[in-house]
Amino acid sequence: AQSVTQLGSHVSVSEGALVLLRCNYSSSVPPYLFWYVQYPNQGLQLLLKYTTGATLVKGINGFEAEFKKSETSFHLTKPSAHMSDAAEYFCAVSEGGGATNKLIFGTGTLLAVQP
Amino acid sequence: DVKVTQSSRYLVKRTGEKVFLECVQDMDHENMFWYRQDPGLGLRLIYFSYDVKMKEKGDIPEGYSVSREKKERFSLILESASTNQTSMYLCASSFRGQYHTEAFFGQGTRLTVV
Repeated sequence: AQSVTQLGSHVSVSEGALVLLRCNYSSSVPPYLFWYVQYPNQGLQLLLKYTTGATLVKGINGFEAEFKKSETSFHLTKPSAHMSDAAEYFCAVSEGGGATNKLIFGTGTLLAVQP
Repeated sequence: DVKVTQSSRYLVKRTGEKVFLECVQDMDHENMFWYRQDPGLGLRLIYFSYDVKMKEKGDIPEGYSVSREKKERFSLILESASTNQTSMYLCASSFRGQYHTEAFFGQGTRLTVV
């Protein structure tokens, strides 16, 4: 079965600093990987996804992630943090097979941005 | 805009009550999901459905059941609510069989069982 591990349940950065949120996956087949963001008391919103092709994926709000097969990683980065980036971020892998596909989520990383 | 709508944002129920959480999507998606979100545990899949009247258990189905009588609607039922079911519940939907497509989420229902 596929799974994802997010290292660091809490990450704090200063406004303008680099954001790096880590995600490692476990999959026996080429994975489909996703990053979602959740603002307080909201549902999840897709930031970006990797399917096939280019390993550097650009998403909304200036975020990007790089798929590294050799490291089984899909880390999320943003060059310069903004106060509005404070939220919880979830990495997910799509698990297929059977009648349907479903997303398997990591435990989340809460990002705090300090002024 | 694509939309997944959960009927309530906040609910307070008493222990032992039967609780219904409703979810409607307008994207003609075959798949629908119910997740439970708890601090430090991320999102855990309770049940999912890939077609009308079809359902499969997720990772934590105990104490829950579901109903899907129409394609656009997926209901989560707590047969006899308990305090350990106090949580945030998230509904999602997606196209079936397309593993590269994302799921779309509702706003969540924060359920408190007292």
